Amino acid sequence: DQQVKQNSPSLSVQEGRISILNCDYTNSMFDYFLWYKKYPAEGPTFLISISSIKDKNEDGRFTVFLNKSAKHLSLHIVPSQPGDSAVYFCAARTAGNKLTFGGGTRVLVKP
Amino acid sequence: KAGVTQTPRYLIKTRGQQVTLSCSPISGHRSVSWYQQTPGQGLQFLFEYFSETQRNKGNFPGRFSGRQFSNSRSEMNVSTLELGDSALYLCASSLGPSNTEAFFGQGTRLTVV
Repeated sequence: DQQVKQNSPSLSVQEGRISILNCDYTNSMFDYFLWYKKYPAEGPTFLISISSIKDKNEDGRFTVFLNKSAKHLSLHIVPSQPGDSAVYFCAARTAGNKLTFGGGTRVLVKP
Repeated sequence: KAGVTQTPRYLIKTRGQQVTLSCSPISGHRSVSWYQQTPGQGLQFLFEYFSETQRNKGNFPGRFSGRQFSNSRSEMNVSTLELGDSALYLCASSLGPSNTEAFFGQGTRLTVV
């Protein structure tokens, strides 16, 4: 039972354009949502989070939107840079610090 | 400020052996969580420790265990290793049990042959 899903396994975008990554969840008990960026053979790097009581959080080039009624969140990266090429994971938090991760979306930013 | 430190980085073990992995959280962080990453199952939660107590446990067999010491350092142990235990094991560190930011170490790559 996949409680957090990232339906797009990959995304290709031109440098300078917007990258939009999507994530759907099923468990209404999730209270925080987080996005992580991961390079091969390294641990995930925290990017941005959002509380379930908010609908938007912005940090520099990264903005996360939460649509609680649709159980959907998205990460916008504007403008996209070649260094953003990585795998992005969305994660949802329950019961303290237990994170449930989506399957990841591989982003390729073309120069 | 040092990040999360996991040792060793790489490990090769034989089926049936046991292994212990170590994680030192960020200074001042008291919550440590462990995750397993495999190509087939993705990132899966193993367990979480806070103040030397296990607070949460994922759906893994009893062969997977852990503990936390008074200095917040944590170890996880896998006994009777199976080929399917080959994975990247990641440790995440947080200030406390309900902190919204978890910072990951670089992981320990375990290969079981």
